[in-house]
Amino acid sequence: AQTVTQSQPEMSVQEAETVTLSCTYDTSESNYYLFWYKQPPSRQMILVIRQEAYKQQNATENRFSVNFQKAAKSFSLKISDSQLGDTAMYFCAFMIPGANSKLTFGKGITLSVRP
Amino acid sequence: DGGITQSPKYLFRKEGQNVTLSCEQNLNHDAMYWYRQDPGQGLRLIYYSQIVNDFQKGDIAEGYSVSREKKESFPLTVTSAQKNPTAFYLCASRGLSRYEQYFGPGTRLTVT
Repeated sequence: AQTVTQSQPEMSVQEAETVTLSCTYDTSESNYYLFWYKQPPSRQMILVIRQEAYKQQNATENRFSVNFQKAAKSFSLKISDSQLGDTAMYFCAFMIPGANSKLTFGKGITLSVRP
Repeated sequence: DGGITQSPKYLFRKEGQNVTLSCEQNLNHDAMYWYRQDPGQGLRLIYYSQIVNDFQKGDIAEGYSVSREKKESFPLTVTSAQKNPTAFYLCASRGLSRYEQYFGPGTRLTVT
């Protein structure tokens, strides 16, 4: 079974600074996808970024980038120039493409951006 | 605008009653999913459907039922057999040519 671990329950960062959220996963599969989702106080789940395991290049979306270390099974999210609107819960998720393509989520991390 | 709608946003029920949560999408997505979210936990999969008139149990299906009579709709029924039904429920959908799932706004169910 696949597992996703987010060991830091909470983090805080000053506005305009950079923060890194950690995620590790466990799988015996070689082909899979990894995602970071954001859940602000509205509780709407928003896709932040995705990474295909077969791609060596780390994904980037504006101020969000990942550090994907396949051998270490690590998938961290870096948020640059943090903004107040980044305050949210962030979930790391894992998926094996196939018949159901279900997502396996970590427990999430609460990020607070301080003004 | 394309998207996923869930209704109602808040739902209150007495213990012992069945309740149905609505999920509708106009994204023309084939796959749809129901997740449950509890405080301090990530999302857990209840049921999913890849095609009309077909669905499969997820990790925590006991006490829940679903139907998929139309591509756009995937309602979830929380039955009286579900021991701890109070939770936040999220519906998601996915196009079969893509791997990312898109979520609705969720329904907060409180059973007393």
